[in-house]
Amino acid sequence: AQLVESGGGSVQPGGSLRLSCAVSGFTFKNYAMSWVRQAPGKGLEWVSGISGSGGSISYAGSVKGRFTISRDNSKNTLYLQMNGLGDDDTAIYYCAKDRRSGGSCHDQWGPGTLVTVSS
Amino acid sequence: DIQMTQSPSSLSASVGDRVTITCRASQGISNFLAWYQQKPGEVPKLLIYAASTLQPGAPSRFSGSGSGSGTEFTLAISSLQPEDVATYYCQKYNSAPQTFGQGTKVEIK
Repeated sequence: AQLVESGGGSVQPGGSLRLSCAVSGFTFKNYAMSWVRQAPGKGLEWVSGISGSGGSISYAGSVKGRFTISRDNSKNTLYLQMNGLGDDDTAIYYCAKDRRSGGSCHDQWGPGTLVTVSS
Repeated sequence: DIQMTQSPSSLSASVGDRVTITCRASQGISNFLAWYQQKPGEVPKLLIYAASTLQPGAPSRFSGSGSGSGTEFTLAISSLQPEDVATYYCQKYNSAPQTFGQGTKVEIK
């Protein structure tokens, strides 16, 4: 399996970014996917997850109402739309494959994409 | 939300030592508990899922266990090796949010 994130970068507070994760090597629609982030020098934080069909979505409280997860199973791509970004959102964002079609732990991870929120 | 608390936050042990890390959930999560290893500068790697099932490819010196209450879990390294220097995280995944513990940094004495 291969997962490759893109779309990270530097953005001002209050700004928006859209992350993408292109996957290959497995049947994308059969697995739930998640976004996990890691602030510089800090631990892992689960951000959001989406079922294989896209019909079940969940968010961490810290991003609910600001971030939107989605997927395009025809393009084997996962997305994370991030609005209203603040300093606390500065982190490496990892795309991760879940072990099942519903929520589960993460058996494959991308290399991550860095999001920096700074004025 | 269910909180996940790891202990200790860091440890230093000698090569060959048995090392244990504990993860406590604030409520029962059955066996929906995973352990990850993150070496410095690397991406996290799944070690154990369902509290005690070793992920294919993970070294057999790693093992996991859980209490019957579904609130206390242990990751053990039977014989610590230099390549095991890393931060270890537990994660609960019975329901959202799939919270991680704060991590345990393992070093060689």
